[in-house]
Amino acid sequence: EPEVTQTPSHQVTQMGQEVILRCVPISNHLYFYWYRQILGQKVEFLVSFYNNEISEKSEIFDDQFSVERPDGSNFTLKIRSTKLEDSAMYFCASSEGQVGTYEQYFGPGTRLTVT
Amino acid sequence: GENVEQHPSTLSVQEGDSAVIKCTYSDSASNYFPWYKQELGKRPQLIIDIRSNVGEKKDQRIAVTLNKTAKHFSLHITETQPEDSAVYFCAAPYRRALTFGSGTRLQVQP
Repeated sequence: EPEVTQTPSHQVTQMGQEVILRCVPISNHLYFYWYRQILGQKVEFLVSFYNNEISEKSEIFDDQFSVERPDGSNFTLKIRSTKLEDSAMYFCASSEGQVGTYEQYFGPGTRLTVT
Repeated sequence: GENVEQHPSTLSVQEGDSAVIKCTYSDSASNYFPWYKQELGKRPQLIIDIRSNVGEKKDQRIAVTLNKTAKHFSLHITETQPEDSAVYFCAAPYRRALTFGSGTRLQVQP
C-alpha cells in the first residue's frame, strides 16, 4: 500500500538556521499538507498546496515558512530562521483531491529540535 | 474557521470493555469527520471516518456516530484490547484543512 514518506526522521538545528523538511506524497494525490505537533499537544494545520500553489494557510504559517514542489515527487517545507518554539514534529499529508474525497494520509513525521 | 472540542482527555478501561470518545464542532457546513489513532512517536493513522449524509458507520470493533443537529460525533470501540491503547484524535475540515481535537489518551488495562 503506498505511503507518504518524509526525510529526515530527526533534524537538530541551531536557532536562526534554515531547515528544509522533505516529503514524498502518495503518487496519484493532488493535495499536499503540512501539519505540526508540539510534544504532547494536538496536530495543527500549517498549509495546504494544490496545483503548484498554496491553497490555504494558518496563522502559524508566517513569512518564516515556505513550501515548494521542486519536482514531480517531492514537497518541501522550509523554515527560514528557526526559533526555539519551532521545535515540534512536522507531518506531511496528502489526499487524492478528487471531488468527494477527503481522506488525508500522514507521513511518519520529522522531529525538528531547535537548540 | 472550525473549532473542535474533544473529551475526555484521558480514558482508562479494562480489556474487553467499551470506550467512547466525543467531539463537537462549530462549522455547520462541515461534512466529513475522520478519526485518527496515534501511537507513541508514530504518525496519525486514519482509522474511520464518516460523511454528513450518514448517521453511523461501523468497521469491526469501531464505530462512529454523527449528530449533525447537535454538531457532535463520537467514536465507539467495543471489546477493547491492549493494542487499542493510543491517543485518538477527532477532526473536522475547514475547506481542505483538518482541525484536530485535543486528543484522548486511551489506556486499556489487561
